[in-house]
Amino acid sequence: QKEVEQDPGPLSVPEGAIVSLNCTYSNSAFQYFMWYRQYSRKGPELLMYTYSSGNKEDGRFTAQVDKSSKYISLFIRDSQPSDSATYLCAMRRDAGKSTFGDGTTLTVKP
Amino acid sequence: DTAVSQTPKYLVTQMGNDKSIKCEQNLGHDTMYWYKQDSKKFLKIMFSYNNKELIINETVPNRFSPKSPDKAHLNLHINSLELGDSAVYFCASGHDRGNYGYTFGSGTRLTVV
Repeated sequence: QKEVEQDPGPLSVPEGAIVSLNCTYSNSAFQYFMWYRQYSRKGPELLMYTYSSGNKEDGRFTAQVDKSSKYISLFIRDSQPSDSATYLCAMRRDAGKSTFGDGTTLTVKP
Repeated sequence: DTAVSQTPKYLVTQMGNDKSIKCEQNLGHDTMYWYKQDSKKFLKIMFSYNNKELIINETVPNRFSPKSPDKAHLNLHINSLELGDSAVYFCASGHDRGNYGYTFGSGTRLTVV
């Protein structure tokens, strides 16, 4: 069983829709939770990071962590065609490597 | 100014050859990483160096050898290339501890023919 499981997708939504991207994990030692966005033929870029359970908002993006359920989500409001990319969740303990999910490819259609 | 730069961007080579990929970061981070991304977008850690010291060495064939001359540089040398080595290799930098994500380079697309 993988330490991090991500909803596989692909996901296709109309412009303006609310998007929900989700990951579950099995290692209760994970403390830091991150979302990366990767455009085609580019490197992943850090979108958001959170520590502990709760919500964190940044513009149209909200990251949610539920440590009791070992579940994290990224919500995108008012999705735009420019949001079309692969989204990767990642998590780590206090020190050491980040473990990534397999990624969910999102297409937002105009 | 590019934060994490990798060279070359593309590498096409024949089986059995030896090749190197270079990475440099100007962010002052203390830790650098090599990740391999396969065709299904799965990112797998290969190596990590913290201040020139190897701290992560995943199950990677010993044909792969990382080298970090200083904390701003991390290179990857691959001997006797195989078809299965074809992938995109990403260098990243960050801090080993705390609430930090990584900054990735743009990747090196390796194709072994």
